[in-house]
Amino acid sequence: GAVVSQHPSWVICKSGTSVKIECRSLDFQATTMFWYRQFPKQSLMLMATSNEGSKATYEQGVEKDKFLINHASLTLSTLTVTSAHPEDSSFYICRAMYLWDGYTFGSGTRLTVV
Amino acid sequence: ELKVEQNPLFLSMQEGKNYTIYCNYSTTSDRLYWYRQDPGKSLESLFVLLSNGAVKQEGRLMASLDTKARLSTLHITAAVHDLSATYFCAVDVISDYGGATNKLIFGTGTLLAVQP
Repeated sequence: GAVVSQHPSWVICKSGTSVKIECRSLDFQATTMFWYRQFPKQSLMLMATSNEGSKATYEQGVEKDKFLINHASLTLSTLTVTSAHPEDSSFYICRAMYLWDGYTFGSGTRLTVV
Repeated sequence: ELKVEQNPLFLSMQEGKNYTIYCNYSTTSDRLYWYRQDPGKSLESLFVLLSNGAVKQEGRLMASLDTKARLSTLHITAAVHDLSATYFCAVDVISDYGGATNKLIFGTGTLLAVQP
């Protein structure tokens, strides 16, 4: 089946630094990638949608200059949290689309900003 | 704006009992998903429901969809401890032109705790 490899699984960083999260599709071409954020004991919130070779579309209230999304190839999408602050601590999950309507979730990244 | 609500938010039940989780959504959609999430983990797909009246069953879980009422249910039969997890429903957002966007809006989640 379609597999998305998400790295790192967890990361701890200092306030003010940037962190990059990668989602790589291993056996398919991910035409569209969705990025979600999940705060503890809360639901998943859609942050942005990216299509290969295009600029990402951000949901209302998500700062595009803070959460940089790059989808330069059909097998790799990255989310960079810039100038991270403790309030950015969260669980980030990617969801990759393939073919017409198939999709799969990454394993998630636990980000802790100290 | 599509809103998806689940109830209850928290459910403590004894092993062997039956219960139902409800998922209501606010606007038209043609796809509804149910997921399971264990602590610290990503999502595990349980069901996808594509049409009015759709019913799917897997083990002790059964999901149904009523598109007219904008309601889906996840029924748990004879619960066991291994079913303890958080369950989410998610609805596909329909574009202004009537097509699927493939964006999923998630419900609030139901934390299920099955007690021995």
